[in-house]
Amino acid sequence: DQQVKQNSPSLSVQEGRISILNCDYTNSMFDYFLWYKKYPAEGPTFLISISSIKDKNEDGRFTVFLNKSAKHLSLHIVPSQPGDSAVYFCAASANGGTSYGKLTFGQGTILTVHP
Amino acid sequence: EPEVTQTPSHQVTQMGQEVILRCVPISNHLYFYWYRQILGQKVEFLVSFYNNEISEKSEIFDDQFSVERPDGSNFTLKIRSTKLEDSAMYFCASNGKMAGELFFGEGSRLTVL
Repeated sequence: DQQVKQNSPSLSVQEGRISILNCDYTNSMFDYFLWYKKYPAEGPTFLISISSIKDKNEDGRFTVFLNKSAKHLSLHIVPSQPGDSAVYFCAASANGGTSYGKLTFGQGTILTVHP
Repeated sequence: EPEVTQTPSHQVTQMGQEVILRCVPISNHLYFYWYRQILGQKVEFLVSFYNNEISEKSEIFDDQFSVERPDGSNFTLKIRSTKLEDSAMYFCASNGKMAGELFFGEGSRLTVL
């Protein structure tokens, strides 16, 4: 199942710089997108979401950009902090996010922020 | 802050045995889910549950799986006859509305020998 793809398995960034995590999707029915962060031995924690009627959503240091024509979204973290080091998952849902919580996840990207 | 809790954190079982994984969703949430992550693979949707019945299930969720909300607080996933390939981290999640973000528990690691 390659409907949601995160092509970069890992990303290393210096503290204070920008982290950009990318995600591509193929299913045109997806219209609601989420980013989750996961630490070892913990469950995924919701970060930020975006509906397909928008192209940008911002929450503090986190901004998600959506390019519907390219079926691409990205998560920007500015400035990056060592505590941001975790696995980041992109997830997508159809029907305005109302498909009964059926999220399709990407493989995840391991972000390491160096002090 | 309210959270989803899961027990056990780790269970080791023999192939063919029945396993029950337990979850206590956030108290005012109405929608409940199970996901799993096999080591090295993606997090996969298994099933969603609302109003005491299954709303949607994936192809993975075959007859050996069942879910139940036996009382007002617990939400369980039963695997009737475990197989080696059932070894995975199982995540319970809940939310208070049909759409939007899910709140995940810390997961139950199942190891089938």
